[in-house]
Amino acid sequence: LAKTTQPISMDSYEGQEVNITCSHNNIATNDYITWYQQFPSQGPRFIIQGYKTKVTNEVASLFIPADRKSSTLSLPRVSLSDTAVYYCLVGDPGDTDKLIFGTGTRLQVFP
Amino acid sequence: DAGVTQSPTHLIKTRGQQVTLRCSPKSGHDTVSWYQQALGQGPQFIFQYYEEEERQRGNFPDRFSGHQFPNYSSELNVNALLLGDSALYLCASSPEGSVREQYFGPGTRLTVT
Repeated sequence: LAKTTQPISMDSYEGQEVNITCSHNNIATNDYITWYQQFPSQGPRFIIQGYKTKVTNEVASLFIPADRKSSTLSLPRVSLSDTAVYYCLVGDPGDTDKLIFGTGTRLQVFP
Repeated sequence: DAGVTQSPTHLIKTRGQQVTLRCSPKSGHDTVSWYQQALGQGPQFIFQYYEEEERQRGNFPDRFSGHQFPNYSSELNVNALLLGDSALYLCASSPEGSVREQYFGPGTRLTVT
């Protein structure tokens, strides 16, 4: 079963850049890495997805090294509203469309 | 354009009872997935429906069953409720070919007493 490992929690201050690293040692060759954000009492929200190197959108950047055994979600200049749980996902090795959520990283942003 | 909607928002049931949760996917989406999220944990995949058939299933007992209708809406049924079934049940939809980018509904909070 695919498994991801992330820090349980992180603290930051408004305006800082936050980097959350996830390890996924047994990611399937054809699998993508996907990140979701979840606020309390809401469903997760898709942030970004990538296969290798770097992907950037209006919300975040995703860095994936050549061996693809880890990835780093980068949130530039966080604000209080970025306080949430962030999940790194890979698929099940037997079926990469079956998403496996870990326990996520609880990011707390302070003023 | 409405996003994913789920009903009811909250539900309280007694151990041994049965429950049905409902989900309407985002417009244009034909794939629906269901997840169970216990307090403090990440969502756990229950199953996924496409073209009215269960396409994939997670590690959940047969007490958990589902259905997808021709309009792509879906139901999750849980029989013989246990206290441990208390959780937030999330529905997510996605278009065919893009199941990694799922749109989640607000969830149904089920409490079993």
